[in-house]
Amino acid sequence: DAGITQSPRYKITETGRQVTLMCHQTWSHSYMFWYRQDLGHGLRLIYYSAAADITDKGEVPDGYVVSRSKTENFPLTLESATRSQTSVYFCASNPDGVNTEAFFGQGTRLTVV
Amino acid sequence: GESVGLHLPTLSVQEGDNSIINCAYSNSASDYFIWYKQESGKGPQFIIDIRSNMDKRQGQRVTVLLNKTVKHLSLQIAATQPGDSAVYFCAENKGWGKLQFGAGTQVVVTP
Repeated sequence: DAGITQSPRYKITETGRQVTLMCHQTWSHSYMFWYRQDLGHGLRLIYYSAAADITDKGEVPDGYVVSRSKTENFPLTLESATRSQTSVYFCASNPDGVNTEAFFGQGTRLTVV
Repeated sequence: GESVGLHLPTLSVQEGDNSIINCAYSNSASDYFIWYKQESGKGPQFIIDIRSNMDKRQGQRVTVLLNKTVKHLSLQIAATQPGDSAVYFCAENKGWGKLQFGAGTQVVVTP
């Protein structure tokens, strides 16, 4: 039972480069989310998806692009990475988007140099 | 704007004592809250949740209290153990499963 997995776990990239963070869940949950966590702060929502081919912006979407062609995958792309996007990124899933908890991946630590 | 936040950034607790972590929220229409535990280098892990039609909910060594009058919730951990050392977040469901997190409280358990 793999659950929800993120890859890579660690990534260093240069300013201006495009980078994609992967997220895969095995539960067939409808809802998936991307959060970023900056040092000393809570998590902030970047994008979310209610189902395949349905995505919407969260609190901090600028500079990010998402897609969801399959229910189980929800990649996050930084089109042109900036130093301010250095952060830990967490993917999460929720079965129905109603009042149930979200399950989180182990995170991807991204450093933009 | 509406937000969820925590009162104390760090809580030092002696092993065996009870821990209380507090959280304030500002949206009186909020109907679902979750407490997460995050250990170093890991993703948030669900601890317990509570719906707005409840005042109290208990789990294994944890209790969440919700006071809708003052828009406050708390997490109580009984007989705190070294394995309870972590950052604890309260989160509010903003609809469609979207969570708004507080800044977090670091719990440090001392022997």
